[in-house]
Amino acid sequence: EVQLVESGGGLVQPGGSLRLSCSASGFTFSSYAMHWVRQAPGKGLEYVSTVNSDGGNTYYADSVKGRFTISRDNSKSTLYLQMRSLRVEDTAVYYCVKGSGSSGWYDWFDPWGQGSLVTVSS
Amino acid sequence: EMVLTQSPGTLSLSPGERATLSCRASQSVSSSSLAWYQQKPGQAPRLLIYGASTRATGIPDRFSGRGSGTDFTLTISRLEPEDFAVYYCQQYGPSPPYTFGQGTKLE
Repeated sequence: EVQLVESGGGLVQPGGSLRLSCSASGFTFSSYAMHWVRQAPGKGLEYVSTVNSDGGNTYYADSVKGRFTISRDNSKSTLYLQMRSLRVEDTAVYYCVKGSGSSGWYDWFDPWGQGSLVTVSS
Repeated sequence: EMVLTQSPGTLSLSPGERATLSCRASQSVSSSSLAWYQQKPGQAPRLLIYGASTRATGIPDRFSGRGSGTDFTLTISRLEPEDFAVYYCQQYGPSPPYTFGQGTKLE
């Protein structure tokens, strides 16, 4: 069974930094692209970022470009999201999601982790 | 950037009825790369449909998707109590960044 477990969320002040981790199991992690999607409280889903299977290609939503960095450690089956210069509007549950292929292109999202709450507030 | 518009925003139906949810794209969706997800309160989203019409593993056949180009539909033939949730469409082609619709609440 595929399992994705996020960690690292919490309360951070505006302008601060936080790193999310996603520990994966139940599949060959190094063969699949991975994604981050977020959901602000009471709002819809927002795409955040993608990394391909070997970590060589990354993609970002315009709202986080230049502030967030996605990466992965295939030896540890772990996905990361380094978040810097955090804003109040970054407050959300962040989901780690497995892609359907290796490149991140034409990639539907399945399954999703349970999410990690990031709260940006003073 | 592609915009996905879902309608209606809220759909009020009863168990046993048929539900039809719409997703319209601002430009043609590449290779029918359109997915549907279901989200229940306090839970992560779950993939229902990909490729506009292919059911994901374990999804009951009362769920069906169709469409191409800019207009897509998710149909639930006979609503079960567990189907009342929020549904999102997503375009995933050809490359990121990807886009979600704003969601339809089925109540």
